[in-house]
Amino acid sequence: SAVISQKPSRDICQRGTSLTIQCQVDSQVTMMFWYRQQPGQSLTLIATANQGSEATYESGFVIDKFPISRPNLTFSTLTVSNMSPEDSSIYLCSVDFVTNYGYTFGSGTRLTVV
Amino acid sequence: GESVGLHLPTLSVQEGDNSIINCAYSNSASDYFIWYKQESGKGPQFIIDIRSNMDKRQGQRVTVLLNKTVKHLSLQIAATQPGDSAVYFCAEIDTGFQKLVFGTGTRLLVSP
Repeated sequence: SAVISQKPSRDICQRGTSLTIQCQVDSQVTMMFWYRQQPGQSLTLIATANQGSEATYESGFVIDKFPISRPNLTFSTLTVSNMSPEDSSIYLCSVDFVTNYGYTFGSGTRLTVV
Repeated sequence: GESVGLHLPTLSVQEGDNSIINCAYSNSASDYFIWYKQESGKGPQFIIDIRSNMDKRQGQRVTVLLNKTVKHLSLQIAATQPGDSAVYFCAEIDTGFQKLVFGTGTRLLVSP
């Protein structure tokens, strides 16, 4: 299965600032996905990122708040912009490396906004 | 500590018992289903999957059952161990759209 590295693993940020999360995959993948997991909750898909095209956002998520880059087939970034305490969550990257291992996830970025 | 699973339904079992975790999925067009295990501080980890043309699939100590008629999925863990304590999520996907949608999750607590 693919190995996914996310950076940073955790951060504490001031409200009003922005944080960019990086996701690096050790093999080329077509689709990369960004999820949010609010405290004590399940995972919610933010957007799907394909290389060479704009990301596709799910209902309730907008590009101005969560801009995404996908410059190549192994890398993507998610920015959480103009943060508020409500943005405190775990943000997870996933790829469609469907072999015998389903969709593979990174270990997540634990964001706390103060 | 981490807050994964803090507000989720909880299943408490004794070590050695068999555990059954249930999940109702929403999309009748979903054709691929995955169970994930999430330990505190980690991302979801694949356990077992099943495609819609099957109703049962077995792995090592785990079995997934799929009932498409009532849109229900279950994960059975045999001889549950303390290391099985985690939050378990089912996820469904309509492979035509390739978006994985997660269920609400269940926290499994295994007592020695």
